[in-house]
Amino acid sequence: EIVLTQSPGTLSLSPGERGTLSCRASQSVSSNLAWYQQKPGQAPRLLIYGASTRAPGIPDRFSGSGSGTDFTLTISRLEPEDFAVYSCQQYGPSLSFGGGTKVDIK
Amino acid sequence: QVQLLQSGTEVKKPGASVKVSCRASGFTFTRYTFSWVRQAPGEGLEWMGWISGYNGNTRYAQKFQGRVTMTTDTSTRTAYMELRSLRSDDTAVYYCARVAVTDFYFEYWGQGTLVTVSS
Repeated sequence: EIVLTQSPGTLSLSPGERGTLSCRASQSVSSNLAWYQQKPGQAPRLLIYGASTRAPGIPDRFSGSGSGTDFTLTISRLEPEDFAVYSCQQYGPSLSFGGGTKVDIK
Repeated sequence: QVQLLQSGTEVKKPGASVKVSCRASGFTFTRYTFSWVRQAPGEGLEWMGWISGYNGNTRYAQKFQGRVTMTTDTSTRTAYMELRSLRSDDTAVYYCARVAVTDFYFEYWGQGTLVTVSS
């Protein structure tokens, strides 16, 4: 089973700052990686798939990069609604999620 | 618009079974695959398995094999997930999600169903 390790566990930032979240796979998943945003009491929401393609309706302040084993989700300028938990998910060859990174207000 | 509407909160005793439903609307049910993902309190997301809305083929995560059954009813556009021999660590929010056509990421999610296992 492919293990996804997300870091940091918590990221404390102020609105307007840049956020950089990491997801590392225990073996290569090529570009088969997605990112989700989840707010308390809500279902996850797809942000990025194919490591770097934004899902429909996702603002361009969200960007994804990486391939193989190392991936990054960048939020260029944090808006108040961006404070949430972010999870990565790999879908090649099997399926698994990372443990999540909480982005909270500094 | 695409909607996945799940059944309501369940409270079960250890050893019992639970069956959660996920009713789809806004798209052609048989063109898609559906997955079930759960989230224990304060924990990350955990993939449980998937089922084809087209032919009912399934694949379950190894952890749940033998204890989970996923089914669909195309006449009502509903996917089901049954989990048996419940334990306290099965307490979680269970989500259904629609899988993208091209790859196995999750485009749309149900609102979640809380299942509490307690004696």
